[in-house]
Amino acid sequence: AQSVAQPEDQVNVAEGNPLTVKCTYSVSGNPYLFWYVQYPNRGLQFLLKYITGDNLVKGSYGFEAEFNKSQTSFHLKKPSALVSDSALYFCALQSGGSYIPTFGRGTSLIVHP
Amino acid sequence: ETGVTQTPRHLVMGMTNKKSLKCEQHLGHNAMYWYKQSAKKPLELMFVYNFKEQTENNSVPSRFSPECPNSSHLFLHLHTLQPEDSALYLCASSPGTSGDTQYFGPGTRLTVL
Repeated sequence: AQSVAQPEDQVNVAEGNPLTVKCTYSVSGNPYLFWYVQYPNRGLQFLLKYITGDNLVKGSYGFEAEFNKSQTSFHLKKPSALVSDSALYFCALQSGGSYIPTFGRGTSLIVHP
Repeated sequence: ETGVTQTPRHLVMGMTNKKSLKCEQHLGHNAMYWYKQSAKKPLELMFVYNFKEQTENNSVPSRFSPECPNSSHLFLHLHTLQPEDSALYLCASSPGTSGDTQYFGPGTRLTVL
């Protein structure tokens, strides 16, 4: 069985500071890892994904994530947070040839002015 | 959200009503999904269709009945719902192969009185 953990329900950061939203996973086989963002009363939007290759993946809106196989992590990062980054962030995992993702519980990011 | 539309955006219904949610994707994808998102709960996968065939039914109560007449359209028929079924219902689509990104609609906010 595969699983995704987002250990923090909420992350608070001041505008201009770096942000990290954590994600760890458990799977047999090679993982495909995704980050999605959800703004209030909207659907989820794709940010970035790791399939293979470079462990550092760059995505939309200045976000990036680093795949760390030894720590089974795929943390989302941004060097300088904006108030407009405040949203709900989901980590997701696919593996074993399945196209159906397993989602984490979501982390609410709040960026304070 | 671009490319996946959902109607209606908001729906209020009584427990004895019958209503339907509609999802349409203009992306040429083969797989379509229904998710339920309730406050304070993880995203719940309800149904998956691939090439119009249902491939996943995650123990969803029979008061929810999906229909996929073609790869572009997905419906969720609702009857005799309970107040705890009030939630945001999200539709998504993807090409249908491992490693694919999911594209979400804006959701239908359902309130059951």
